[in-house]
Amino acid sequence: AQRVTQPEKLLSVFKGAPVELKCNYSYSGSPELFWYVQYSRQRLQLLLRHISRESIKGFTADLNKGETSFHLKKPFAQEEDSAMYYCALSGLGGGTSGSRLTFGEGTQLTVNP
Amino acid sequence: DVKVTQSSRYLVKRTGEKVFLECVQDMDHENMFWYRQDPGLGLRLIYFSYDVKMKEKGDIPEGYSVSREKKERFSLILESASTNQTSMYLCATTHRVGTEAFFGQGTRLTVV
Repeated sequence: AQRVTQPEKLLSVFKGAPVELKCNYSYSGSPELFWYVQYSRQRLQLLLRHISRESIKGFTADLNKGETSFHLKKPFAQEEDSAMYYCALSGLGGGTSGSRLTFGEGTQLTVNP
Repeated sequence: DVKVTQSSRYLVKRTGEKVFLECVQDMDHENMFWYRQDPGLGLRLIYFSYDVKMKEKGDIPEGYSVSREKKERFSLILESASTNQTSMYLCATTHRVGTEAFFGQGTRLTVV
């Protein structure tokens, strides 16, 4: 079974402050981890994925297999970062179970001026 | 650009009705998914399909069924709608396992 947990439903920070959105997962195989973002009245879209190891809009995320975590970080939050953020996991194994894409509960980030 | 289109943006149905939600994608993606999105619960997987006529139950399949007769179309069926199925429904597609998911605009279903 695969599971993704985001312990914070709401997170509020001030502009310019660092922000960290937590994500923990459980999966017995080799996971691919993602962060998706949904801005107000827009479709859910990919923010970043572990395998590409890139920084998008100043956000980074590091996969920690020992702690089974994939926390999202940004050193200086901006007001336009206010959105709903979802962590997601896809297995990389073969067979039908590898096709499953599982999301966490989501964290609503608000960046105050 | 990948296009994932859900047939309706808003739907209002009566309890007991049979409801069809349609999703069409134009990029020849292998995998298609149906989720429901509820505040505080995130996206919960209802069903997914990894090939034509192939389907797998997700985490909350009860009360739902799906159909994938053609690669580009994935339908979610509520056999007998109930008020607890009032929700936002999202369709998504991926090309292969572990690749980026593309989402439809969502269907807000209200069952009265």
